[in-house]
Amino acid sequence: AQSVTQLDSQVPVFEEAPVELRCNYSSSVSVYLFWYVQYPNQGLQLLLKYLSGSTLVESINGFEAEFNKSQTSFHLRKPSVHISDTAEYFCAVSDPYGGATNKLIFGTGTLLAVQP
Amino acid sequence: KAGVTQTPRYLIKTRGQQVTLSCSPISGHRSVSWYQQTPGQGLQFLFEYFSETQRNKGNFPGRFSGRQFSNSRSEMNVSTLELGDSALYLCASSWGTGGSYEQYFGPGTRLTVT
Repeated sequence: AQSVTQLDSQVPVFEEAPVELRCNYSSSVSVYLFWYVQYPNQGLQLLLKYLSGSTLVESINGFEAEFNKSQTSFHLRKPSVHISDTAEYFCAVSDPYGGATNKLIFGTGTLLAVQP
Repeated sequence: KAGVTQTPRYLIKTRGQQVTLSCSPISGHRSVSWYQQTPGQGLQFLFEYFSETQRNKGNFPGRFSGRQFSNSRSEMNVSTLELGDSALYLCASSWGTGGSYEQYFGPGTRLTVT
């Protein structure tokens, strides 16, 4: 079965420092990859996605993620974080065995805690 | 454009009762998916409906059911509530299905079972 691993449950970082949130998935077949962000008491917001093409995808607020097929990874990075980036970040993959559906398989999440 | 709305936002029920949660997708979206979020199990897929048909179902007992109406609004029902059903229930809507379409999540319904 497909699985997604986010090794770091919490990442503390100082404001303006760079950060990397790690995500690995288990599938050997093609999948779509996503990063979602969840602020307290809110739903999930799509941060960025990889469907095909360039392996480096960027969001409008400075985050980027790189798809690495050989390492089955999709790590999220930001060169300089802000206090407002404090949130929980979820990596997700489409289910390659679920047929033509929108089913997503999520990692356990990484809490990014930005300190002043 | 209005976002995905979920009602109610908060709900407290007693063990053994049943509950119905509602999700109104973004106008024009035909797919609605439901997820359960708990501290222990994380985010787990419940089911997806597309054009009133269930496309996929997660690994949940039959007490969890759902449906979608012709206007794409969706409801999920949980019967014979158990303490472990306490969770944040999220719905997500999308224009299409197949995995590549962007999904927009609602704020969730927080269900507490006592």
